[in-house]
Order: sequence, then structure tokens, then C-alpha cells
Amino acid sequence: SQQGEEDPQALSIQEGENATMNCSYKTSINNLQWYRQNSGRGLVHLILIRSNEREKHSGRLRVTLDTSKKSSSLLITASRAADTASYFCATGAYSSASKIIFGSGTRLSIRP
Amino acid sequence: GAVVSQHPSRVICKSGTSVKIECRSLDFQATTMFWYRQFPKQSLMLMATSNEGSKATYEQGVEKDKFLINHASLTLSTLTVTSAHPEDSSFYICSAKGGGNGYTFGSGTRLTVV
Repeated sequence: SQQGEEDPQALSIQEGENATMNCSYKTSINNLQWYRQNSGRGLVHLILIRSNEREKHSGRLRVTLDTSKKSSSLLITASRAADTASYFCATGAYSSASKIIFGSGTRLSIRP
Repeated sequence: GAVVSQHPSRVICKSGTSVKIECRSLDFQATTMFWYRQFPKQSLMLMATSNEGSKATYEQGVEKDKFLINHASLTLSTLTVTSAHPEDSSFYICSAKGGGNGYTFGSGTRLTVV
């Protein structure tokens, strides 16, 4: 990808379990964002974490950021069938303050 | 919340023709818009950054004569795929900087060139 990689590429879990997705990036960043994309649809912004933050929560979502390792994780707790989607991290760099670059994405499937 | 309207959602065109995709910010002014391309089961690849009133900035490897971008107003950016070929078939998504969380995405355009 243009910026970095996400792992796993695909994840299938049972409804009710927690899902963890990881993202690594290459350059220095100003912030990191997570998005969800349902098949063939646009992107929905989930959460933004700034480079000076280490952890952030929003409902069932928990995001961590480790700038020393250039990595982030997204945890979805108590997964639901409606969480089935692709999840992408995206980074905003200091050098190009405007544009955001996406990671390779994780396809999450929740089994009922 | 902020909304970006993207049209059309789907388009089928013949090889050699041109297709225009519109992206409008409905309730905020977008001085900067971004155009992405996405192949099936892959990530979004940034194609270009569109700035109102000035020329677009294209990413490396993107043909500016092939993908014409116009950002004539603070609420409208257009992407025209010129002389389309089957390999241009893809999902194109725009996003606008502004409106709360920083970036708002359109719902995407599925282009099929036959």
C-alpha cells in the first residue's frame, strides 16, 4: 500500500468475541484514523487518534497508538454481525498536512 | 453532520468514451478534495489532491491527462476519466477536508468500462 500494512488481511470470528486489527505505517504522522467500509460502499470515519495520544475509546472501539513502533491497533469488543466490513487505518503526515494515506485494510467477518 | 455527495454511484461506459464523476460538499466548504481509486478487495490508492481554484496535485504514476480534475468552486470537484479503457474499471471515491472530523467521504462510484 502507499503507506503501510494492516494485519491480519482477513479475520473471521464468532459473534460476541473481540476483534483486534493492527496497522503499521512508514512515515512520521500527525494523526491516525480508522475507517470502516461496507462492501462496495464509501468509508465511515470511526475514530481519530493524535500522535501525542496513546489510547482512545469510542463505544465498543478502542484504539492504541505507538509512535515509536509506528503501529496502531483497533479493538472491537463484543462483536456483532453488523461489524462485518473492511477496516482501514489512514495516516496524516506532518510533511503533507492535508492528505491521508490508507493502509491495506483488514476484512472482518463476524459469524452469527 | 458533514455530507459529501458523489454521483453517479454506478456508471457503465464504452471504451474510448469519457466519464465525469462529481463530488459535492453539501453543508460545508471544501477547499481541498481528494480522489481515490480502489480495486476489488484492495485498499484505497490516492490519485490526486484537488485544490479550489488551482491545479490538482497528482500522485506518482497517475496520468494527469487521463484523469482530469477540476475544482471550480468550494463545494464541487469533478474527476473525468478520459478515453476510458477496461483497465480503468474501478471504484472511485472522493473525500473532502472539512466538516468536523476532518475528512468526509463520498459513497463512491463504480465505473465499468466495456
